[in-house]
Amino acid sequence: DGGITQSPKYLFRKEGQNVTLSCEQNLNHDAMYWYRQDPGQGLRLIYYSQIVNDFQKGDIAEGYSVSREKKESFPLTVTSAQKNPTAFYLCASSLVLALAGGNSYEQYFGPGTRLTVT
Amino acid sequence: SQKIEQNSEALNIQEGKTATLTCNYTNYSPAYLQWYRQDPGRGPVFLLLIRENEKEKRKERLKVTFDTTLKQSLFHITASQPADSATYLCALGGADGLTFGKGTHLIIQP
Repeated sequence: DGGITQSPKYLFRKEGQNVTLSCEQNLNHDAMYWYRQDPGQGLRLIYYSQIVNDFQKGDIAEGYSVSREKKESFPLTVTSAQKNPTAFYLCASSLVLALAGGNSYEQYFGPGTRLTVT
Repeated sequence: SQKIEQNSEALNIQEGKTATLTCNYTNYSPAYLQWYRQDPGRGPVFLLLIRENEKEKRKERLKVTFDTTLKQSLFHITASQPADSATYLCALGGADGLTFGKGTHLIIQP
């Protein structure tokens, strides 16, 4: 089955700890994204990556870091510098980045990771 | 700054009727617009894409319109079913990628 996976589904951490969320896709997509969703809020873009070893900050990148060492993987680290880390985190991928003007802009989302920091 | 507005209140529709959801935007000229469905605790699922030069798009019981003059998209579900109950997100696309609205919660009552 082709798709995008995130793990774990639920994650609990103590304040002050860094935590890494996993995102893997086997769709052979070039572009990958991380979003954060809070109750009553839309999806907000944290980071995105167009190709391996390249990534760009989104609208709310402060307190987060990413890496893109492999095409299939785009892990997100929530650092202790993130002031309000408790949220639902969604990873997505698309065939190409919208910026590239490709024909397929639809994004495929993973099931999400709900992070709770206390 | 660009702004996307979707009905923040839940929309209650009787089964079998047509559900119509609205997406308005300001300070933006999207090259295309997408609609996604999101169920509680899950990631959004892509439904339809409509480009700026298209007026209407259909897929089975779904229909999307795009009026760039009014800066509005309407999303219709005909012959609605309780299984259509979910949150529906619109997303504007362009050079800056996708920007999502907050979504409208649709409830189809039997």
